[in-house]
Order: sequence, then structure tokens, then C-alpha cells
Amino acid sequence: QVQLQESGPGLVKPSQTLSLTCSVSGGSITSGGYYWSWVRQLPGKGLEWIGFIYYSGTTYYNPSLNSRLAISLDTSNNQFSLRLTSVTAADTAVYYCARAWSYYYPSVGYSLPDAMDVWGLGTTVTVSS
Amino acid sequence: QSVLNQPPSASGTPGQRVTISCSGSTSNIGSNYVYWYQHLPGTAPKLLIYRNDQRPSGVPDRFSGSKSGTSASLAISGLRSEDEAEYYCAAWGDSLSGFVEFGGGTKLTVL
Repeated sequence: QVQLQESGPGLVKPSQTLSLTCSVSGGSITSGGYYWSWVRQLPGKGLEWIGFIYYSGTTYYNPSLNSRLAISLDTSNNQFSLRLTSVTAADTAVYYCARAWSYYYPSVGYSLPDAMDVWGLGTTVTVSS
Repeated sequence: QSVLNQPPSASGTPGQRVTISCSGSTSNIGSNYVYWYQHLPGTAPKLLIYRNDQRPSGVPDRFSGSKSGTSASLAISGLRSEDEAEYYCAAWGDSLSGFVEFGGGTKLTVL
């Protein structure tokens, strides 16, 4: 059974870079058939999708974060990571990593992320000086 | 403000049937699949419905999803106290161009 666990600093100073890691156990991130995702929940707000990465390295990013965001794979440690630069208080949130199925869309001729079926418990990140 | 519109709250009594709506546009719900997630505070979100109306194994058949045009709905029948949670719809935005939209969430209260 696949399990995901987020890790990283709970406090980041404004203008610095937020780095989080999602450790995957019970399955390989390079096995194919799945995308790996980050989602966050801002305080008192709903869920916000951050981005996906496929084992091939293909990424999809939220346009509102695209200029500050990088998601990468660490295949040797079976992890994937999030890097968000120039953070502000508005990036304070609970950050979740999740696994998403890969689903083939005949209309476009390639596979895209589908449902997010396995989630980590989340890690709280506060941006404050 | 979310592109997918959900009512902020819903309520029902045990045993009742409740419906939560999710309204979008032709570029998201109208042309893409809809997903529903259940989220209790302090826990991991849980997938309830995928591709409009499909239930993952382990999700009770009390939960059902539907889609019509640019709107979707989650129905919960035989309401139980443990169903009290936040419910989110989600869909690809901008016709599969590469990003996912979540609804603002609906807080379901079991009275």
C-alpha cells in the first residue's frame, strides 16, 4: 500500500525559498502510470492545486505560481520535491503531497493526471520573519 | 475566488439525503471530468468520486456523483454523523491546458 509523507521546515522567512519533500513508500515513483502532486490549503480557505510531475519529468504547474515554482523527482530516494521561491505570508498553508492516476484522453492523444487517490497528512508551513 | 462555485455550507439530519452542487463553465466542467474530495480537519483529503460518477473501491454507495452541462453534483444518502466534513469538487480548467481547479468547498453539517 502506497503511503506519502511530507517533510520540510515549518517556518520560512519572507523572500526566502520554501522547500518540501514528499517521501513515497510502498511503490516506486518511476513505475509509471501515476503523476505526483502538491496541493495546499491556505488558512481558512479551500484547497489549491500547486502542480503535478510525471516520472518522465513532465510537469504541470498552477499558472498563478508558475514563475516561482519547481517540482522535481529524486528517484534515488523515491521522493519528489516542491521548491517555491520568494515566499510571502500569502504562502502560509498546509501543504499536501498526493498521487494521481494517469489517464489517457483520446481527445488530445496523450495521458494527463486523473484522480488524486493517495494523500499525505500534510505539513504546515508558516511564512514569517 | 474559485472558478468552480460551491455553496459554502449544507446541512442535513441523520438518514437524510443531501446534495452539494458545483457550478463551472464550458472550459472546465463542461468539457472535462469532475472529481469530489472529502476533507476532515487535520486529516488527508479523501477521493470520493472520479470521472463524474465513478466511486473508488471502499467508498460507500451512499455517495454518488453526476454531471450535466457545466454543473456537477455530489449526493450523499443515508446521512451519517461521520459525513460531517468539507467537500470539494475539482476539474481541469481551460480545456485540459494544464491546470486543475478546486471549488471553494462546502462545509456539511449533520444536525
